[in-house]
Amino acid sequence: DADVTQTPRNRITKTGKRIMLECSQTKGHDRMYWYRQDPGLGLRLIYYSFDVKDINKGEISDGYSVSRQAQAKFSLSLESAIPNQTALYFCATSDRQGKLAGELFFGEGSRLTVL
Amino acid sequence: AQSVTQLDSQVPVFEEAPVELRCNYSSSVSVYLFWYVQYPNQGLQLLLKYLSGSTLVESINGFEAEFNKSQTSFHLRKPSVHISDTAEYFCAVTHGGAAGNKLTFGGGTRVLVKP
Repeated sequence: DADVTQTPRNRITKTGKRIMLECSQTKGHDRMYWYRQDPGLGLRLIYYSFDVKDINKGEISDGYSVSRQAQAKFSLSLESAIPNQTALYFCATSDRQGKLAGELFFGEGSRLTVL
Repeated sequence: AQSVTQLDSQVPVFEEAPVELRCNYSSSVSVYLFWYVQYPNQGLQLLLKYLSGSTLVESINGFEAEFNKSQTSFHLRKPSVHISDTAEYFCAVTHGGAAGNKLTFGGGTRVLVKP
């Protein structure tokens, strides 16, 4: 089983619908992230959480919200989806700093299409 | 603020030929640098990283990257590529400290290895 699991893997929805992407991890990491990937733009950070009580906006948080339900679970919501939110979304985790500094562990991605 | 520029969006290369993927970054403070690889239909995984010490870092599958502070570059090279190296490669930077594992990614370079 994957260490970082994202559901759903693929979703097609309509403009205005509410969507939730879920992420769970078995790595025991405190830190979790949501990124979106768009061709030519690489990955951009939407939200991140360094522990259950810590939620922070990334560079492109408008139109998104998150919930850290437990150390192992971090969900991303689109309250009212719009077509330019069509993208590949990745959840990632990391341990604290030190030798593993910078090493993110990614899920396999959730492809979202908003019509 | 930090940013990463990957100068080539696509690099076609023949099998057993060398390849170089260029990455330049901008940051006003010391940085940690990374290369991640994304194989088709998968999440990203760490290829190699520079935190400190020797400016030449290597991966287990034959890639190497050299940190050049004066040129603010971290180019990735492999002397002889295989078909299995077909993937998208992302350069990323963080300055550690309070930024923790909050990485900024480049736009990606897609490598297509031809037989």
